[in-house]
Amino acid sequence: DAMVIQNPRYQVTQFGKPVTLSCSQTLNHNVMYWYQQKSSQAPKLLFHYYDKDFNNEADTPDNFQSRRPNTSFCFLDIRSPGLGDAAMYLCATSRDSQPQHFGDGTRLSIL
Amino acid sequence: EDQVTQSPEALRLQEGESSSLNCSYTVSGLRGLFWYRQDPGKGPEFLFTLYSAGEEKEKERLKATLTKKESFLHITAPKPEDSATYLCAVQYSSNTGKLIFGQGTTLQVKP
Repeated sequence: DAMVIQNPRYQVTQFGKPVTLSCSQTLNHNVMYWYQQKSSQAPKLLFHYYDKDFNNEADTPDNFQSRRPNTSFCFLDIRSPGLGDAAMYLCATSRDSQPQHFGDGTRLSIL
Repeated sequence: EDQVTQSPEALRLQEGESSSLNCSYTVSGLRGLFWYRQDPGKGPEFLFTLYSAGEEKEKERLKATLTKKESFLHITAPKPEDSATYLCAVQYSSNTGKLIFGQGTTLQVKP
């Protein structure tokens, strides 16, 4: 089945230690998104790629970066994680403005 | 400011007890309204898209409706497996699927 896969499902890192989360898709969608979702809160869009074009949300901290080396893969880099960055990180894809398809997320814990 | 508000935050129903979830929005230039279901520890699962006032969509025990200011998700004769968090999101970009999410309604259906 075509899907969105996020790895790892759970990630533990130390305060200030860089971490990378990955997302891959077999849907051949041209748009990929990264969301941050804290407990009992709405998913918050961090940035998205429309094809190769990177689009950052205005309130996304500089600590968060992203890479999309090809259509199928997208990475979320957190350069110096703080305690406030502990959350579920969701990757989603879409074909233009069609409904987004989500992966099951990576739960990030900061020690 | 574009905003999406869902009510109630939590809802407990007995099996078979029908009810409705509300999603109100203030968005300039609504492109579409989406309903997602999210189970604990999982990513959101797409349910419905509504594009214009008066539109209705149905899937099993769920029916979504849309007016100019709000959407309702009606749940008829719910079963325990309908227990989940239901997220509403509005699309505000014409070329990508960028969404603003509400905080969700957590539904618990007791047998």
